[in-house]
Amino acid sequence: GENVEQHPSTLSVQEGDSAVIKCTYSDSASNYFPWYKQELGKRPQLIIDIRSNVGEKKDQRIAVTLNKTAKHFSLHITETQPEDSAVYFCAASLVGSSYKLIFGSGTRLLVRP
Amino acid sequence: EADIYQTPRYLVIGTGKKITLECSQTMGHDKMYWYQQDPGMELHLIHYSYGVNSTEKGDLSSESTVSRIRTEHFPLTLESARPSHTSQYLCASSESSGGGIADTQYFGPGTRLTVL
Repeated sequence: GENVEQHPSTLSVQEGDSAVIKCTYSDSASNYFPWYKQELGKRPQLIIDIRSNVGEKKDQRIAVTLNKTAKHFSLHITETQPEDSAVYFCAASLVGSSYKLIFGSGTRLLVRP
Repeated sequence: EADIYQTPRYLVIGTGKKITLECSQTMGHDKMYWYQQDPGMELHLIHYSYGVNSTEKGDLSSESTVSRIRTEHFPLTLESARPSHTSQYLCASSESSGGGIADTQYFGPGTRLTVL
């Protein structure tokens, strides 16, 4: 079946450094790629998304890049802050009549003060 | 923040009990989903619905059932709870853009279920 692989599973950075999380997907027809942040005990919340008709999208300190040829996309967080510490999930859509998202296994990001 | 609600937020019950987890959204979204997630771990889709009277099983086998009689309401039922059902259950919804395009899913706060 279709799957999304996410790396690394854990990431520890010093406050102010950048963090990069990478995902690869298997369905070449996937056209929507959201990223969710889940803080401890809370619901997943969308932080940024990208559709297959663009290669990069930025929102302040957060950016996502998409390489359709290689079937991978990445989340970049610059100038990390302790409040960025959370679990981050990538996802890719399944095309067709199914509106499902396939989620990666998550990356636990720790930003050390 | 998206208006999607789940009740109860926490539930501790004994083995064999029947339970219903409630999920409601006020955004008029056609599509709704149930995920099972152990804390901080991967999200597993267990049920989804494209609209009223439409329900489908997800990727993770589940002994639960769902119904969609009203657009805003998507309850999940366990006929006989077991310790293996202990987990967090997240409800989500999204609107329809049409054309086979997936849209942003908004999540509810979750129900943390413990079966003794």
